[in-house]
Amino acid sequence: EAGVTQSPTHLIKTRGQQATLRCSPISGHTSVYWYQQALGLGLQFLLWYDEGEERNRGNFPPRFSGRQFPNYSSELNVNALELEDSALYLCASSPSDRRNTEAFFGQGTRLTVV
Amino acid sequence: RKEVEQDPGPFNVPEGATVAFNCTYSNSASQSFFWYRQDCRKEPKLLMSVYSSGNEDGRFTAQLNRASQYISLLIRDSKLSDSATYLCVVQGGGYNKLIFGAGTRLAVHP
Repeated sequence: EAGVTQSPTHLIKTRGQQATLRCSPISGHTSVYWYQQALGLGLQFLLWYDEGEERNRGNFPPRFSGRQFPNYSSELNVNALELEDSALYLCASSPSDRRNTEAFFGQGTRLTVV
Repeated sequence: RKEVEQDPGPFNVPEGATVAFNCTYSNSASQSFFWYRQDCRKEPKLLMSVYSSGNEDGRFTAQLNRASQYISLLIRDSKLSDSATYLCVVQGGGYNKLIFGAGTRLAVHP
């Protein structure tokens, strides 16, 4: 069974550009989480989608946005990129209809803003 | 107050040592609790779930204290391969929202 897949694995953008990151959850999982992990820092919660709806968002500016498609895959968009947006962006998926279930992570997209 | 707080670390311990990590959470309605492990430049992976009665998996023991809103992870007989960042994860009340602590880095040396 395929795990969580993220694309691209690496992305280099210049300041002011837009970046689009993609995530495909494990088959049957309807919840998708996005986290940002800057170098040497912990995971910062960005967004949570479940059943196609945004359920919660972390303390990030509106230029961080996303969506979840009918097949439960998800996109994270970052507009007007800033140097400090350089980080590893991790996507995780889990089933939404059960408690006490682990989340599985993709290998991440490493975004570099120059 | 952060939703999930962990010992800042890093913990530098010799092989064979016993080390304990602590984690507190702010939402008393939290339902589920986990410890994840993250190796350098890799994605986090589940180490173990944490149950109310406490649970053990080999050298690893996890404890939950709901009254104090406190979770712990004990690693006995540390190995070099235990070197990693350990993340405390709390699943919020209501929906499935997962909140990660910032992590505690463990470095086991010979």
